[in-house]
Amino acid sequence: AQKVTQAQTEISVVEKEDVTLDCVYETRDTTYYLFWYKQPPSGELVFLIRRNSFDEQNEISGRYSWNFQKSTSSFNFTITASQVVDSAVYFCALGMDSSYKLIFGSGTRLLVRP
Amino acid sequence: DAEITQSPRHKITETGRQVTLACHQTWNHNNMFWYRQDLGHGLRLIHYSYGVHDTNKGEVSDGYSVSRSNTEDLPLTLESAASSQTSVYFCASSGTGVLFNEQFFGPGTRLTVL
Repeated sequence: AQKVTQAQTEISVVEKEDVTLDCVYETRDTTYYLFWYKQPPSGELVFLIRRNSFDEQNEISGRYSWNFQKSTSSFNFTITASQVVDSAVYFCALGMDSSYKLIFGSGTRLLVRP
Repeated sequence: DAEITQSPRHKITETGRQVTLACHQTWNHNNMFWYRQDLGHGLRLIHYSYGVHDTNKGEVSDGYSVSRSNTEDLPLTLESAASSQTSVYFCASSGTGVLFNEQFFGPGTRLTVL
């Protein structure tokens, strides 16, 4: 069965702290895709990143970085020097090569306090 | 610019009434999806479509139906609304290609069933 677990329901940090959001996935497929989406207080869902199962390189985009480790089935997301605008709910999602569907985790609410 | 829109953005209805939520995309995407978002559950897939006249049930399809008569639209119908269907509903679309493409989401519809 395919599953995505985001064990951290809510995280609160002070501005400029680094924060890591955890994502653990389960699948038996050898080809799969991992995603992160951001949902700010305004409610829309914003695509952040897609990672393919055959590419384990970590990725950095500005203050955002992603650590993909197949050995632990994890795809963690780190925000460096957090800002108040980073406050949002973040969703990790899994897509299998056999379909175009996404399976979402339950989300992690990040609150960045000034 | 291509986009995906949902209407209405807010809807209040009574138990037992039929409700239809509209979703329209101008990306020319083959794949379209309906999700519901509830606290603690993330996004759960209701129905999806891979093309005109194709529809499939997701994990929480009971009480919902969809039809796909053209590429741009995938309306979601609640045949007899129930209080358990109070939720925020998101429509999404994605293209087909060699890799699993990210889904683009509409702004959401907040439905309240009294």
